[in-house]
Amino acid sequence: AQKITQTQPGMFVQEKEAVTLDCTYDTSDPSYGLFWYKQPSSGEMIFLIYQGSYDQQNATEGRYSLNFQKARKSANLVISASQLGDSAMYFCAMREGIGNQFYFGTGTSLTVIP
Amino acid sequence: DTGVSQNPRHKITKRGQNVTFRCDPISEHNRLYWYRQTLGQGPEFLTYFQNEAQLEKSRLLSDRFSAERPKGSFSTLEIQRTEQGDSAMYLCASSLVGLESPLHFGNGTRLTVT
Repeated sequence: AQKITQTQPGMFVQEKEAVTLDCTYDTSDPSYGLFWYKQPSSGEMIFLIYQGSYDQQNATEGRYSLNFQKARKSANLVISASQLGDSAMYFCAMREGIGNQFYFGTGTSLTVIP
Repeated sequence: DTGVSQNPRHKITKRGQNVTFRCDPISEHNRLYWYRQTLGQGPEFLTYFQNEAQLEKSRLLSDRFSAERPKGSFSTLEIQRTEQGDSAMYLCASSLVGLESPLHFGNGTRLTVT
């Protein structure tokens, strides 16, 4: 089974609107961390936000927030007030407590429309 | 913090040749990862080091691939007898110990096998 599933290959959003990028994960480890990365067309992977499995509150970092629903095993990224510079690939990733691999999803391509 | 550095940025080689890539992680990071990424896909795990010890290697990784991290500092990834299917972006990342520690990626080495 896939550890990380991102079901939206491509998404479009109007500038200044909010957008939600979906991510579901699969693990039997009670201790894990969830990460979101942004990869612009230039290729670098930029860390955006982290959510720990034991965190009681949803993580927020500026315009990024994580809608963490543990029972559903979902960790959706919400980008508020979209900007043209948000156009990029977005990857969800998970690190389990046991082992040290990071598992990545297949990504969602976000296009912000002016 | 000068970031993760990878060299070369681009490498074009003929099928059957050997290539070697170098990664210099963030100095205080003791974990170092190699990933491979093809167009439209998420990063695929290759191998991982903690200090100088190679602790995990992908089962999908051919015996033609080898990685080292002498003295727990920089790392090299060598591909012997390259094949056209090896064409990809090779990403290096480093992190601290800890579930919450994100991967910090270099800009990658793009390999083209002709």
